[in-house]
Amino acid sequence: AQSVTQLGSHVSVSEGALVLLRCNYSSSVPPYLFWYVQYPNQGLQLLLKYTSAATLVKGINGFEAEFKKSETSFHLTKPSAHMSDAAEYFCAVSGWTGGFKTIFGAGTRLFVKA
Amino acid sequence: DAMVIQNPRYQVTQFGKPVTLSCSQTLNHNVMYWYQQKSSQAPKLLFHYYDKDFNNEADTPDNFQSRRPNTSFCFLDIRSPGLGDAAMYLCATSRRGREEGETQYFGPGTRLLVL
Repeated sequence: AQSVTQLGSHVSVSEGALVLLRCNYSSSVPPYLFWYVQYPNQGLQLLLKYTSAATLVKGINGFEAEFKKSETSFHLTKPSAHMSDAAEYFCAVSGWTGGFKTIFGAGTRLFVKA
Repeated sequence: DAMVIQNPRYQVTQFGKPVTLSCSQTLNHNVMYWYQQKSSQAPKLLFHYYDKDFNNEADTPDNFQSRRPNTSFCFLDIRSPGLGDAAMYLCATSRRGREEGETQYFGPGTRLLVL
């Protein structure tokens, strides 16, 4: 079985401050892990993906995430927030468990203050 | 650009009146998904097609049906929409067996309003 927990439904940061969005996962098989971003009234867009090639994954728009197996975490970070980063962020896990399925977390809404 | 297209972006229907949402893709992906997303919630998978094989989620109401006449197109039919079916409906695609991890590519969504 697989599951995803995103800590904090809302996160607020000031422009220029560090962004940290937390994601913990549970998986009985080697996981693939994703971060997607959703802007208002749009579909989800891939930010980055972990596939076991490297534990530190760099994505678009200056975001990166680190896979920590011992902590079952895949937190998303960005050194300096920009107003355009305000959006909903979803962590997701997938893997082969007799079928291939992607499980999404509940999402974290990021607010960026000027 | 290769993409996932959903039409219309906004759909208004009446309570109980059948409605069809459409999705097309130019990515030539073998899997197509339909998700329902309500405000401030995660997308909820309704069903997906892997090539021509239909895979329904156990908790998807019978009111929701889907058709995939060819690789490029997939339709979501809501036979008798209720007020609780008002939501954003997202179509996504992926290429199973040809990409590690199966990234999903989403369309912009269709927002359904039920009056």
